[in-house]
Amino acid sequence: EVQLVESGGGLVQPGGSLRLSCAASGFTFSSYWMSWVRQAPGKGLEWVANIKQDGSEKYYVDSVKGRFTISRDNAKNSLYLQMNSLRAEDTAVYYCARALRGDYWGQGTLVTVSS
Amino acid sequence: QSALTQPASVSGSPGQSITISCTGTSSDVGSYNLVSWYQQHPGKAPKLMIYEVSKRPSGVSNRFSGSKSGNTASLTISGLQAEDEADYYCCSYAGSKVFGGGTKLTVL
Repeated sequence: EVQLVESGGGLVQPGGSLRLSCAASGFTFSSYWMSWVRQAPGKGLEWVANIKQDGSEKYYVDSVKGRFTISRDNAKNSLYLQMNSLRAEDTAVYYCARALRGDYWGQGTLVTVSS
Repeated sequence: QSALTQPASVSGSPGQSITISCTGTSSDVGSYNLVSWYQQHPGKAPKLMIYEVSKRPSGVSNRFSGSKSGNTASLTISGLQAEDEADYYCCSYAGSKVFGGGTKLTVL
């Protein structure tokens, strides 16, 4: 059974940093693109970042470029999102999703940026 | 990276069919047959309903179908059921991704 479990969310002050993790199981993690997608409270889905199977290609939405870094550790079947210089508008539930088409999603982890 | 355009809401009665449109540009929806649709119930993670414009994942009802013409993709749900009431999002994906703003489906 495919499982994606996000962790690392929480309350952080503006300008702070947070590292999200996504633990994958039930499939060959190294064979898939992976994505982070977020959803602000009461709002729609917003793509954040993608990473290729071997980490050689990464793409980001403009609003997080230079602040967020997506990475992966195929030996640990894990996906990461390092978030720096956090802003109030980064407050959202962050989901990891498998494959560019997003065929499996985790349950999400809530990030709240507030003083 | 502008969001794709979806109607904010649609509604239909049980047994009817509805269609949700998703309009992009020649740089996203119009360029590739890489459009997906997601269903999201309140408090739940999104669920993939359609990918590559018209393909259904295993386990998704054949009441759900997708199509595309030019820069506009569409999701059609036939034989509406109460459990179809949810938010629906389209997405164009290649290297980067862009989502639509979402459509709230109400089953009357």
